[in-house]
Amino acid sequence: GQQVQQSPASLVLQEGENAELQCNFSTSLNSMQWFYQRPGGSLVSLFYNPSGTKHSGRLTSTTVIKERRSSLHISSSQTTDSGTYLCALVNYGNEKITFGAGTKLTIKP
Amino acid sequence: EAAVTQSPRSKVAVTGGKVTLSCHQTNNHDYMYWYRQDTGHGLRLIHYSYVADSTEKGDIPDGYKASRPSQENFSLILELASLSQTAVYFCASSGTVNTLYFGEGSRLIVV
Repeated sequence: GQQVQQSPASLVLQEGENAELQCNFSTSLNSMQWFYQRPGGSLVSLFYNPSGTKHSGRLTSTTVIKERRSSLHISSSQTTDSGTYLCALVNYGNEKITFGAGTKLTIKP
Repeated sequence: EAAVTQSPRSKVAVTGGKVTLSCHQTNNHDYMYWYRQDTGHGLRLIHYSYVADSTEKGDIPDGYKASRPSQENFSLILELASLSQTAVYFCASSGTVNTLYFGEGSRLIVV
């Protein structure tokens, strides 16, 4: 079945530092999405990125298909970036969406 | 604005009792999903559906049933709730652009 591995499991940074989150998958990529889960629990879609690089403000997502990995880069981190970041892999064959375990990011002031 | 509404938002159930979690979407999406999340873990897929009156098993379907009576509604049913089913449950819908829209979650405590 599909396997999605995220690293690191947790990351603590000082405000202003950059964060690099990784997602590796064991099957051929269909599409990749990144989500942010607020401390209260709700989830927000950040990127839909099956390949290449996409930017949104201080966030950059890069997916390299042949290496079966996707990354999320957060520049100049802020305390409001704290939360859990999840990547998800979509299988176009059966539309099954599989999540990684997430990276818990803590930004200290 | 795409919307996915879950009910109830919170529930305490007795072991062995029946629990129904409901999900309603106004996105006109074909795909709907039920996930559970345990403290400190990611989301695991329980059931999903790509058309009304049809459901598919996800990665952890044991102990759960699902029902999709219409495009807008997708329910998760625990016929005999157990302690191990204490978790937060998320419903989501997806359209052809493969972007998931999540509900706010339903916190279930089985005692």
